[in-house]
Amino acid sequence: GAGVSQSPRYKVAKRGQDVALRCDPISGHVSLFWYQQALGQGPEFLTYFQNEAQLDKSGLPSDRFFAERPEGSVSTLKIQRTQQEDSAVYLCASSLLNPSTYNEQFFGPGTRLTVL
Amino acid sequence: RKEVEQDPGPFNVPEGATVAFNCTYSNSASQSFFWYRQDCRKEPKLLMSVYSSGNEDGRFTAQLNRASQYISLLIRDSKLSDSATYLCVVNLGDTGRRALTFGSGTRLQVQP
Repeated sequence: GAGVSQSPRYKVAKRGQDVALRCDPISGHVSLFWYQQALGQGPEFLTYFQNEAQLDKSGLPSDRFFAERPEGSVSTLKIQRTQQEDSAVYLCASSLLNPSTYNEQFFGPGTRLTVL
Repeated sequence: RKEVEQDPGPFNVPEGATVAFNCTYSNSASQSFFWYRQDCRKEPKLLMSVYSSGNEDGRFTAQLNRASQYISLLIRDSKLSDSATYLCVVNLGDTGRRALTFGSGTRLQVQP
């Protein structure tokens, strides 16, 4: 079946521009996560949704970052007034149930954002 | 100090070699442990979960030492296709943040 999909796969933005990144989780998956992966680093948590509820946004680096999942399926990560330090790969992951100890998260291919 | 620490490598090994990666984690409340594999410019994919009793999946063996907060991955009979970055991952589970916490990864290059 279809996995997690993300669009666009690549985005080049000028500093100060707003961007919107989309994630389509696996159908029926309750939990959705956004991670940011800088070059040479592991992914770092940004935010987590359980259905449409954003239960944890403690990883968002600034108030320029905003995420939503209004109908409990597709999610959008928005970055306002992009800065060069926002350049990274943004990964979306979903899991079937509420997170539990060994509930596997499936990752999308990511959106590579480059801010000039 | 990072929550999950790994040797970044690279580990350059010949085909057929045995190679071991280690990882330490700082949060003693961590509930679950994993190794993920990430190929260049691809997304992370679950390689295996790590259980307290240790577990094996073919050529891969994972060990967990909760007392020392230490996780290991052993790869036997390395193949060229094993070349990738191996990410050590922990999860606080139901006791805390539901997201995964990743190390920076250890890069493995298997050479012919």
